[in-house]
Amino acid sequence: DIQMTQSPSSLSASIGDRVTITCRASQSIGSYLNWYQQTPGKAPKLLIYAATRLFSGVPSRFSGSGSGTDFTLTISSLQPEDFATYYCQQTYSVPRTFGQGTTVAIK
Amino acid sequence: EVQLVESGGGLLKPGRSLRLSCTASGFTFTDYALSWFRQSPGKGLEWVGFIRIEAYGGTTEYAASVKGRFTISRDDSKNIAYLEMNSLKTEDTAIYYCTREHSYGYRSDYWGQGTLVTVSS
Repeated sequence: DIQMTQSPSSLSASIGDRVTITCRASQSIGSYLNWYQQTPGKAPKLLIYAATRLFSGVPSRFSGSGSGTDFTLTISSLQPEDFATYYCQQTYSVPRTFGQGTTVAIK
Repeated sequence: EVQLVESGGGLLKPGRSLRLSCTASGFTFTDYALSWFRQSPGKGLEWVGFIRIEAYGGTTEYAASVKGRFTISRDDSKNIAYLEMNSLKTEDTAIYYCTREHSYGYRSDYWGQGTLVTVSS
């Protein structure tokens, strides 16, 4: 199975901050990497797919980069609605594995 | 509008069986694979499995933790996907989500609201 490791596990940030979350795969997954956002009590929402592509309706302050084994999700200017948990997921192979999640909290 | 609605969750004892349903609308059901995920209380996301479209044989893949106990099926005439869960264990307690899986990147682009399954003696 491909292991996905996110860092950090949690972070505190202020409105307007630039936030970066990293995700590392245990083997090369090309660009088969998705990012999801989950707020408490809600289902996850797709933010970024194929490592760099912004899903429809997602604000442009979200961006993704990387390929192979190292990936990054960046929020350019944190907004109040962005306080949530973020997960990366590889879809290169089965089982489709997730990172452990990164919780973004208010500083 | 794409919608996925899970139903069938509940409280049951270990060893019992349960079938979850995922009713889809707002898109051409036969064009998409359907996936199931789960999330135990306070934990991260776990992939359960998926079913391909009929053009790819309607075949299924499962996580090792559920293989042999869970079965995913689909009824394309009703736009419903099912997750049949047998020999349930306490560790199967979770919110279960169904998703539509887009073939570009195999992304789960739309999620249902989830249904809670609690397995407890």
